[in-house]
Amino acid sequence: DTAVSQTPKYLVTQMGNDKSIKCEQNLGHDTMYWYKQDSKKFLKIMFSYNNKELIINETVPNRFSPKSPDKAHLNLHINSLELGDSAVYFCASSQDGEQYFGPGTRLTVT
Amino acid sequence: QKEVEQDPGPLSVPEGAIVSLNCTYSNSAFQYFMWYRQYSRKGPELLMYTYSSGNKEDGRFTAQVDKSSKYISLFIRDSQPSDSATYLCAMIPTGGGNKLTFGTGTQLKVEL
Repeated sequence: DTAVSQTPKYLVTQMGNDKSIKCEQNLGHDTMYWYKQDSKKFLKIMFSYNNKELIINETVPNRFSPKSPDKAHLNLHINSLELGDSAVYFCASSQDGEQYFGPGTRLTVT
Repeated sequence: QKEVEQDPGPLSVPEGAIVSLNCTYSNSAFQYFMWYRQYSRKGPELLMYTYSSGNKEDGRFTAQVDKSSKYISLFIRDSQPSDSATYLCAMIPTGGGNKLTFGTGTQLKVEL
C-alpha cells in the first residue's frame, strides 16, 4: 500500500507552459506539504496545509498555487514555467510531527 | 549562510565501519531533530526523531544532540552497502509547528 503517492513521476515541459502535480495520502494525516529539492539536494518547504487550510506559505513565486480539495489530497499548479523551476517536487504528510514523503515528481523545464 | 549546515561528502567507508554524520545549526530555538535517509531517486524516509539534548538508539543507528554546541550527529554501526544513501538532518524550532528546516545532506557510500 502506497502511503503518499504523487503523479506524474516525471514531467518534461517547455518554458511558459502551465502544469499540475497531484498528491494523495492514505495515512489519515491532517497535514500535507510541498517541498522543492534542487540539483544540490537541498530540500526546502514551499507550502503546508492542515485540514484543507493553508498554514505555511514560504517565499515562493505566486506562479505556484497549491490547492487542497480535501485533507487527503494536495495539488500544486505552476503557471508560466521557467528554467529555474526544474527540480524534484516532494509531497509529504504528517501527524504528530513525523513527516512521510512521497516518491517525488522530477520536473524538467526546457 | 544556511541555518543548518552539513558536509555534502561524498563519504566513502568500507563495509562494517562506524559512520559519523554531523550537522551544525545556528538557530538556538531548534528543539526537534530528525535524520532522514534518501536513496537515489526516492523520497526521504524518517530514520530517527529526537527531542532536545541527549542520545537515542535504534538498532545500528544512534542519534546524538548537543544543544550547547548546536551540533547533532548520527552514528551508524556495522555499516552495510544498503546504507549507501544521502542522509539529511532536519530540525523544527519551538513553536515552529511542523516547519522542517533541512540540512543539505551528506552522501554516504559503503563499499564491499
